[in-house]
Amino acid sequence: KNQVEQSPQSLIILEGKNCTLQCNYTVSPFSNLRWYKQDTGRGPVSLTIMTFSENTKSNGRYTATLDADTKQSSLHITASQLSDSASYICVVSDRGSTLGRLYFGRGTQLTVWP
Amino acid sequence: NAGVTQTPKFQVLKTGQSMTLQCAQDMNHEYMSWYRQDPGMGLRLIHYSVGAGITDQGEVPNGYNVSRSTTEDFPLRLLSAAPSQTSVYFCASSPGGSSYNEQFFGPGTRLTVL
Repeated sequence: KNQVEQSPQSLIILEGKNCTLQCNYTVSPFSNLRWYKQDTGRGPVSLTIMTFSENTKSNGRYTATLDADTKQSSLHITASQLSDSASYICVVSDRGSTLGRLYFGRGTQLTVWP
Repeated sequence: NAGVTQTPKFQVLKTGQSMTLQCAQDMNHEYMSWYRQDPGMGLRLIHYSVGAGITDQGEVPNGYNVSRSTTEDFPLRLLSAAPSQTSVYFCASSPGGSSYNEQFFGPGTRLTVL
């Protein structure tokens, strides 16, 4: 069964600290993996997208990694800020075409305290 | 550009009532979709459209209708609201149907069915 599991479910860190969020998937075939940030009361916003051949991709203080062999991805946030408080959602696609289906994780709720 | 707009932001219905959730985008995107987001679950696809006049069902289409008469608008109709349809609804658009295309999400409509 195609699934996307994220951990931890929630996380609290102090401002300025680093953190890493995990995403494990069983989706097959695999096309790409995207991380979204969703602020409270807002729609998700894309942070990064990675295909099979990409191991690492950065977007400012956000760095995503992908291990397609173990079907794991992580999102590392460096020097966290209060504005990083949000839900982070991992999304895996099984095809790159219009026929592709998106599998959404349940998200990790990150809270950054001052 | 306003991006993707949704109205209303909040709505309370009684069981059996009908209503239409509005979605509009000004980016000339061909692909539009509707999702629902429930606590503890990932986003689930309700319906999608690959262009004006073309719609198709997603993962959870029962109880919802859509139409796409223009590129800009993609309304979602609840025919006879049920408490199980209490959720947050997101409309999204993208330049194409490929999962490589970034989806741009609206701010969401929070619907409560009593």
